[in-house]
Amino acid sequence: GAGVSQTPSNKVTEKGKYVELRCDPISGHTALYWYRQSLGQGPEFLIYFQGTGAADDSGLPNDRFFAVRPEGSVSTLKIQRTERGDSAVYLCASSLTLNNEQFFGPGTRLTVL
Amino acid sequence: GESVGLHLPTLSVQEGDNSIINCAYSNSASDYFIWYKQESGKGPQFIIDIRSNMDKRQGQRVTVLLNKTVKHLSLQIAATQPGDSAVYFCAEAPMNTGFQKLVFGTGTRLLVSP
Repeated sequence: GAGVSQTPSNKVTEKGKYVELRCDPISGHTALYWYRQSLGQGPEFLIYFQGTGAADDSGLPNDRFFAVRPEGSVSTLKIQRTERGDSAVYLCASSLTLNNEQFFGPGTRLTVL
Repeated sequence: GESVGLHLPTLSVQEGDNSIINCAYSNSASDYFIWYKQESGKGPQFIIDIRSNMDKRQGQRVTVLLNKTVKHLSLQIAATQPGDSAVYFCAEAPMNTGFQKLVFGTGTRLLVSP
């Protein structure tokens, strides 16, 4: 079946703008994760959901970042007042349940000018 | 996924050689370890995992070794192929936070020459 998909694949925005990044998990996966990967680094955990609720958002860097998963499937990562330091690849992953293998999407490359 | 890590450690091998990629982890409370492969423009792909109650686990052409005494993890790839060229990350998770919050290392780029 289809893997995790993320849209858009690339997003270029200007400093101060608002962006939304979308993640479609594998069908039937109840857990969903967001990571951020800067150039030359490994992914860094941001937040994960079990169902509709954010079970752990301790990795979100500040209150400009917010994520939702209203129906327990698709998730949107929202970034307000973007800064140049937000430029990175944002990865989404899903797993069948918690403590199962995480399957990653291809990521959205965000560039803040 | 990440495309190029300009300052990543790099391991260059010839096709058919065995490769060993090393990783040092910092959290002695980590109970679960995973190796991921990331090709250019793609997300990380699971290769193999190991729990802290084991010191070795084998998969198809891959072996992971865990040395908890020195907090060291290694990935061995047998008969390396050009398709193995990618960036490899180790990731760790302490059981007390659940296996959801993976902590990734900085990665090693593997280059396989035909």
